[in-house]
Amino acid sequence: AQSVAQPEDQVNVAEGNPLTVKCTYSVSGNPYLFWYVQYPNRGLQFLLKYITGDNLVKGSYGFEAEFNKSQTSFHLKKPSALVSDSALYFCAVRDGAQTGANNLFFGTGTRLTVIP
Amino acid sequence: NAGVTQTPKFQVLKTGQSMTLQCAQDMNHNSMYWYRQDPGMGLRLIYYSASEGTTDKGEVPNGYNVSRLNKREFSLRLESAAPSQTSVYFCASRGDTSNQPQHFGDGTRLSIL
Repeated sequence: AQSVAQPEDQVNVAEGNPLTVKCTYSVSGNPYLFWYVQYPNRGLQFLLKYITGDNLVKGSYGFEAEFNKSQTSFHLKKPSALVSDSALYFCAVRDGAQTGANNLFFGTGTRLTVIP
Repeated sequence: NAGVTQTPKFQVLKTGQSMTLQCAQDMNHNSMYWYRQDPGMGLRLIYYSASEGTTDKGEVPNGYNVSRLNKREFSLRLESAAPSQTSVYFCASRGDTSNQPQHFGDGTRLSIL
């Protein structure tokens, strides 16, 4: 069975400091991992993905994420937080060995607040 | 760049009323999805459609029906609305390969009194 966990409901960070939003996953096969961001009254926007290759993935708005197979983690990071990064962040996973349109599982989200 | 368009953006219904939420995408995607988002529960899949003419149940299908009208449009219908269906509903679409991300509309905020 697939699952994804975001252990922190809320993360607060000062502007200019590095930020990390945590995600751990469980799949039977090779994981396809995604990060999305949701701003107020908007839909989810795709930030970045890991499918294969380099463990460090770079995405939109200066975000990056590191795939760690041994720890089954895919934490989202940014070297210097901006107030405009304040939003709700979702991690999602699917089993790359499974075909079909379904089988993308979302975490419950982490609310990031960047304090000026 | 319209992407995924949902209508209406807001709606208030009375218990027992029916309503159809509309979704259209202009990216020529085969796969389309309906989710609901509730506080603390993330996104839960209601129904999905892998291609025109096919639909399948997701995690929480009870109380809903869907229609894949054509490749562009995927509607969600509440036949007899209940207060438990108060939520934010998102439509999404995805390209043909499983390593592609889903693209989301901006949601329909539905309140059922």
